[in-house]
Order: sequence, then C-alpha cells, then structure tokens
Amino acid sequence: GQQLNQSPQSMFIQEGEDVSMNCTSSSIFNTWLWYKQDPGEGPVLLIALYKAGELTSNGRLTAQFGITRKDSFLNISASIPSDVGIYFCAGYTGGFKTIFGAGTRLFVKA
Amino acid sequence: GAGVSQTPSNKVTEKGKYVELRCDPISGHTALYWYRQSLGQGPEFLIYFQGTGAADDSGLPNDRFFAVRPEGSVSTLKIQRTERGDSAVYLCASSFGAGSVETQYFGPGTRLLVL
Repeated sequence: GQQLNQSPQSMFIQEGEDVSMNCTSSSIFNTWLWYKQDPGEGPVLLIALYKAGELTSNGRLTAQFGITRKDSFLNISASIPSDVGIYFCAGYTGGFKTIFGAGTRLFVKA
Repeated sequence: GAGVSQTPSNKVTEKGKYVELRCDPISGHTALYWYRQSLGQGPEFLIYFQGTGAADDSGLPNDRFFAVRPEGSVSTLKIQRTERGDSAVYLCASSFGAGSVETQYFGPGTRLLVL
C-alpha cells in the first residue's frame, strides 16, 4: 500500500533556530497536508498544498509541494517553545482516504 | 463552538471483551472518519461515513471491527473479541462535505488499552 517516509524522526533544537522536515512517497499525491499534534489531542491542520511546486506560508511555517508530486517539506522559522509537538505529513489522492507519515517529534530548548 | 468530542477518553479492557467507542462530530458536518493511531505512528484510516452510510470501510483491519452512524450524526466504533494488538488511540474526525479531507477536524481520541 501507499506509504509516506517522514524524516527526521525527532529533532532537538534551541529556541530561535529554524527547522526543516520532509516527507517522501513512492506514489504520487494530489494533495499534501501538514498537521501538528499536541499530547492528548488530535492532529490540527497547519498547511494544505494542492499543486505541484506550490509554496505556501502560514505565519512562521512554510511548506512546499514537490514538483514530482512525491514529496513535500515543512520549514519552521525562529522556533519557539510552543512549537513542541509531533508534525505529520499526509497525502491524499482522491476518494476519502488520507495517508499519514509516522511523524517528526520536535523538542525545543528555551 | 463545540469541536469533535469522543467518549470515553480512556478505556481499559481485558482481552476478549467487547468495546464501543463514541464520536460526536461537529454539528452540521456530514462526513465522519475513524482513524487508529498506534504508539509512535501516524493516524491510520479505518472508515469514512457520508451521512448514515459507510462510503469506504477499506481500512477496517478485520471483521471484529464495525462502525455505525444510524442518524447521520453520532458514530460508534465497535470492537469485538478485543486483542492486545488493538491497543491504540482511536481518533474520530468530521468535515463539512464529502471529500473535504483537508478540512477534517479531529477529536482528542479514545485511548484503548487491552490487557
């Protein structure tokens, strides 16, 4: 079945640093999504990408839909302590099924 | 306004028992999704409802798992003869329309532990 490879698995950074994480797939997706999950909560959508090559920002977050449609990355600039959490990429090809990566666990040291 | 709610928040059961997990979607949302999230993994799709009908149940792992949504609002995920491998967080999400996966709103999940 379809799988997403998300890296890195975890990151330990200093407050103020920039963060980059990415997601690759062997399959083509029509939509890439990036979510954040806090402990004890469900994932919350950060950014949705709909076109190959699309670059979209949401505050300090920037995400890109790879031109091959098989990858995406998320950047966080000037990290702050509340950025701590698990970031998931997800791909969607149509129908109703969203495929999630295993997540990148972000730890920010103040 | 109220988000997606799930009850119970935690459930501990013994191997072989039957459990029901409930999801209350956001009012007016016609689409409802169930996911399972194992430790250290992302959510895994189980089933999708549009209104009262299951439009896609291809993610249900076996026939011990069943979900209903009789009135097109509240949904119940039912697991028979639970096994230790069923231990996970079960997430529910809802969205306004069919296929609006990017506008899914997730509930906090039910943490199921099978002893």
